[in-house]
Parts: sequence; C-alpha cells; structure tokens
Amino acid sequence: DGGITQSPKYLFRKEGQNVTLSCEQNLNHDAMYWYRQDPGQGLRLIYYSQIVNDFQKGDIAEGYSVSREKKESFPLTVTSAQKNPTAFYLCASSRPRTDLWAQPQHFGDGTRLSIL
Amino acid sequence: AQRVTQPEKLLSVFKGAPVELKCNYSYSGSPELFWYVQYSRQRLQLLLRHISRESIKGFTADLNKGETSFHLKKPFAQEEDSAMYYCALSFPQGGSEKLVFGKGTKLTVNP
Repeated sequence: DGGITQSPKYLFRKEGQNVTLSCEQNLNHDAMYWYRQDPGQGLRLIYYSQIVNDFQKGDIAEGYSVSREKKESFPLTVTSAQKNPTAFYLCASSRPRTDLWAQPQHFGDGTRLSIL
Repeated sequence: AQRVTQPEKLLSVFKGAPVELKCNYSYSGSPELFWYVQYSRQRLQLLLRHISRESIKGFTADLNKGETSFHLKKPFAQEEDSAMYYCALSFPQGGSEKLVFGKGTKLTVNP
C-alpha cells in the first residue's frame, strides 16, 4: 500500500562506511521525521523537517545527517561517526498543525540496519 | 522537560478480561496525547488521540490532567489486540511539531 515507502528493508554496514536510508511519501505531507527504535527504548527522534530545504536535529542526531531537497523525500545517512548504528529506523510524515491541534504521524515499514 | 512514561514493559491478560495500559506524561503546556499501536509484521499506526474522544477497536483513553495520565482501556480484551502499544505526547517547538514517545507496552492476550 502507498503512503510512506522506506527502502531497503534490511541494510548491512561495514565499519567506517556511510549508508543512506531512503524515505519517500506520496501523502503530500509537509513534515517528515526520522526515528530510531531500539528494544525497550521506544522511539527516539533523530531529525525532522517541516518544509523543503529545512530540517532540525532531534534528540539523538549525532552521527546522522539528512537532506530535504524535495517534499516527497527525506533520506537519512548513517555516518561512520555513529558508533552504535544497529537499530530499526522508522520514517514518518504528517500534515501541519491545523488550528489548535497537532496532526497524527504516518509511519513507514522501517529499515533494519546491522553492522557486518 | 517533556516526558512520557509507560510503567509496564509487558502486560499479559486472558481473552475477555479487562485491560488497562498506563501512560503518564510530563508537560507544562496543554497536552496533546496519542496512542499508537504496532501489530506483528505491521507498521506503527495511530490508534486514537485524546481530542477525538471516541472508541477505536473497543479501546478508549481519557485525558486526566490532574493525574497527568492518558491510560488506554478496553473492557474485554481479544487475542487480536496483542501488539506493542506506544503512548505519545505532541507539542509545538520552534515552529515545528515534535512527538515524544513512551518506551512502549507489549500486550499479550492469551486464549
């Protein structure tokens, strides 16, 4: 089904290598987010973007980078500076806040990153 | 600081029994709270939000500002309710919208 597409489903990284996780959405949402999910830790925000060409660091941005050149796309690069990259990565998108209320986020299926 | 606490990592009940998943939050402003659910092999999805005040799949959640809680309840649990449940707090920050998640509760409904 459509909505948010993350690829690949599984990714392996060698030591010292950068890898890029893809996130594409066809929901026409302005805001996009990247989360990291570790067992027993819930979801932690890595980066988020409210509009094209603008993004902000989340709570655990160190060792990650993003770009937002198109509304539909928000790729995440896990750099070699990220010492513990093994995790499940989730991408999400949402509409802007309307009037007084926040809008729910829609999630992709995730990418599982492992270290070789 | 904004924080969401789900005190139970695991919760196990029998089919037909009532279930309550606890969620407490810490936020100085007016809270906006959500429950998200992740069924096995499915993506994380919205279950309900406090402003809707409706029942979804038999679940309800009431915001209690005095106790800073947003517990999720269902009077008669079903096996298909087995899933991972996350409580989340949404708040505006610097022109953006942020979502803070609890660590989640894994609900198992036994036959």
